[in-house]
Amino acid sequence: GAGVSQTPSNKVTEKGKYVELRCDPISGHTALYWYRQSLGQGPEFLIYFQGTGAADDSGLPNDRFFAVRPEGSVSTLKIQRTERGDSAVYLCASTDWVGSGYTFGSGTRLTVV
Amino acid sequence: AQTVTQSQPEMSVQEAETVTLSCTYDTSESDYYLFWYKQPPSRQMILVIRQEAYKQQNATENRFSVNFQKAAKSFSLKISDSQLGDAAMYFCAYKGGSEKLVFGKGMKLTVNP
Repeated sequence: GAGVSQTPSNKVTEKGKYVELRCDPISGHTALYWYRQSLGQGPEFLIYFQGTGAADDSGLPNDRFFAVRPEGSVSTLKIQRTERGDSAVYLCASTDWVGSGYTFGSGTRLTVV
Repeated sequence: AQTVTQSQPEMSVQEAETVTLSCTYDTSESDYYLFWYKQPPSRQMILVIRQEAYKQQNATENRFSVNFQKAAKSFSLKISDSQLGDAAMYFCAYKGGSEKLVFGKGMKLTVNP
């Protein structure tokens, strides 16, 4: 596609529920990143995919968070047993070459009530 | 670990005037990229300008230019002829040898008509 697409745009869920956030990167971009942006903060790195594999998942806060990219294109960020502290904007980015910069999606605003 | 500091949480500028946003970073690496991103209320992070550390020449993109001082680890953004559409959050970001972007906390720019 022309840009990075993230769905849903907004998600409200109850504490303890499971959620999935989807990212559709720019066609042909092999590198895909997930970031989390809390209110009033800059984005923080969660995980990086090169192709189908998670090359760096050091930013995932705990084992409730998991991400997949089975065919090297669309990625899903999965959060189990959501907590109120998980409320944030989750941003996805992709690139074909870091020197050209990263293209971000508009994010998913997750609210856990 | 690398850190990025944006010490001014908010700034304002009159339309058509020039404003400079400051950013400092801390790293022991010699090769890296620096970026300025703009985030309007739509939440999408939009690349404004990028600088490769090995290039001594400061990057420019139309009304946007940077003052990159490698020894001082400073990377400021100058916006000339400010326009109402420049109003947004601005984030400075660093990318070194790892794949993750490290962001500052951001700065809110207001443009007054």
